[in-house]
Amino acid sequence: GNSVTQMEGPVTLSEEAFLTINCTYTATGYPSLFWYVQYPGEGLQLLLKATKADDKGSNKGFEATYRKETTSFHLEKGSVQVSDSAVYFCALRETGNQFYFGTGTSLTVIP
Amino acid sequence: DAMVIQNPRYQVTQFGKPVTLSCSQTLNHNVMYWYQQKSSQAPKLLFHYYDKDFNNEADTPDNFQSRRPNTSFCFLDIRSPGLGDAAMYLCATSSPGQVETQYFGPGTRLLVL
Repeated sequence: GNSVTQMEGPVTLSEEAFLTINCTYTATGYPSLFWYVQYPGEGLQLLLKATKADDKGSNKGFEATYRKETTSFHLEKGSVQVSDSAVYFCALRETGNQFYFGTGTSLTVIP
Repeated sequence: DAMVIQNPRYQVTQFGKPVTLSCSQTLNHNVMYWYQQKSSQAPKLLFHYYDKDFNNEADTPDNFQSRRPNTSFCFLDIRSPGLGDAAMYLCATSSPGQVETQYFGPGTRLLVL
């Protein structure tokens, strides 16, 4: 079946530090992969996506590369800001209309 | 701006008292989803509609029902809320023919007293 495994949090970083949040997936076919971000008290917002192997999604300084050989889609940012504090969810979508989410990783950035 | 709207943002109900949460969208998307999200957990899919075709997840309790009277609106009915149903309820939409992305509403936080 399909599933997503995310690095457990919480993660606490100082401003301008490098961020990596690991995500690996299990799928029977060729899924599309997503990172969503959830700010406190809000719904999920799409951060970036990649629809095929070796694609790189990027947005707001965040990047993730679809690695089929390692079934991974790790989220990275070179220099985090306080405003990046949120919960980050990795997700996949294969055939059909269902999305599968990881359990989320909470990030806190301190000044 | 096109968006997914959820009302109310906060809902308080009593144990066992039926409650309805609403979701509307201006994106004209075919697919609408309802998720339940408890604190520090991933959103859990309850069910989704593809147009009027209803798809229930196998582990969604019978206590949860849904209605989609038209493309724009979708309702989540909780017939007899228990304390364990207190959560954030997220509505989302997607369009299979366009980008493979879900658009989420801001959520309704349900409190059961």
